[in-house]
Amino acid sequence: GAVVSQHPSWVICKSGTSVKIECRSLDFQATTMFWYRQFPKQSLMLMATSNEGSKATYEQGVEKDKFLINHASLTLSTLTVTSAHPEDSSFYICSAQSQIRRSGGTEAFFGQGTRLTVV
Amino acid sequence: GENVEQHPSTLSVQEGDSAVIKCTYSDSASNYFPWYKQELGKRPQLIIDIRSNVGEKKDQRIAVTLNKTAKHFSLHITETQPEDSAVYFCAAGDDNYGQNFVFGPGTRLSVLP
Repeated sequence: GAVVSQHPSWVICKSGTSVKIECRSLDFQATTMFWYRQFPKQSLMLMATSNEGSKATYEQGVEKDKFLINHASLTLSTLTVTSAHPEDSSFYICSAQSQIRRSGGTEAFFGQGTRLTVV
Repeated sequence: GENVEQHPSTLSVQEGDSAVIKCTYSDSASNYFPWYKQELGKRPQLIIDIRSNVGEKKDQRIAVTLNKTAKHFSLHITETQPEDSAVYFCAAGDDNYGQNFVFGPGTRLSVLP
């Protein structure tokens, strides 16, 4: 299957600083990438949908200015948590989809996730 | 929008027994139903999926059934093994247009030796 690489896998930062998380599709072009947040023992909650070359679409309740998403190329999307606070501590996971195929559909490939701890 | 419910939230079975997890969805436009297995702190891994043009799909010990009329689908794991212990998520969506999936809340499966 396709490979999605996410870095870093874990990060600890001080309150008030910004953290950037990268999501790369290694062997395919991802026209669409998704960013999820997962609290302990809970499901994946979609934060935003990122399309290459355009602005991300954020889910209701997600602050655009706090969670900056950039999808500058077909293989890279970044999530920047700005002015991080302890309540932003969570597991962040990206997923990428390949070109849309009407006949076969698409599969979502997940990055390995980033555990963010804000102290 | 789509809403996915999943039951049970926790499930314990003896090794060798079968496990069944059920999900319901609300949006009749959804046509793709993947199941993911997630071990603690790791990425979700696709284990099986089904599209709305079929009613059942099987892959070795894992099978998924879909009832479009009732809008529910189920995961069946037979001859469970300790390594099957994980959290399982169902999801529903329309993948023909790159739509995102809505995930169920998850089921924590424990297979007891």
